[in-house]
Amino acid sequence: GQSLEQPSEVTAVEGAIVQINCTYQTSGFYGLSWYQQHDGGAPTFLSYNALDGLEETGRFSSFLSRSDSYGYLLLQELQMKDSASYFCAVREGRDDKIIFGKGTRLHILP
Amino acid sequence: DGGITQSPKYLFRKEGQNVTLSCEQNLNHDAMYWYRQDPGQGLRLIYYSQIVNDFQKGDIAEGYSVSREKKESFPLTVTSAQKNPTAFYLCASSIPQRPQHFGDGTRLSIL
Repeated sequence: GQSLEQPSEVTAVEGAIVQINCTYQTSGFYGLSWYQQHDGGAPTFLSYNALDGLEETGRFSSFLSRSDSYGYLLLQELQMKDSASYFCAVREGRDDKIIFGKGTRLHILP
Repeated sequence: DGGITQSPKYLFRKEGQNVTLSCEQNLNHDAMYWYRQDPGQGLRLIYYSQIVNDFQKGDIAEGYSVSREKKESFPLTVTSAQKNPTAFYLCASSIPQRPQHFGDGTRLSIL
């Protein structure tokens, strides 16, 4: 069956760097996305990888290894406003079916 | 501004009642999606649609129905067959092979 695994919680200190991992097992793969969701809000898009390697967008970077069915989101220079849940999502097929992991709750300590 | 509008923001359902959640987008996106999110959980796919008059079941379609009569609109009906409908419902849209844009969600509760 299909599944995306990511840690349920991660804690880091303000100003530090944190990495959130995601491993996936799906019937097809057409790209890995990352979304941020603050409590009570809707998910917002952060980053997308269709090919192997690193994508950088400001303080956020995302990495993909298709051979390992693995990706991660890297957050640098952590700020208190980065406290949120982070979801990885896989585009599973050519029909644009997208499935999500259960999310990683990021706690940031001052 | 372009975006996705979900209404209402809060909705209450009586036992045995069907309710319909609205999702409208003016982004000219072909694909639209409905997800359910339970507290502290991830997003689970209910239905998705790539084009008008066509849609596919997601992982938890039982007890739900949708229609896609217009490109801009993808309403979700939560039927009485859905025994545990209390959740946060999120609608999204995208251009094929591109990231999704989400609406602000509808919180459904049972009276």
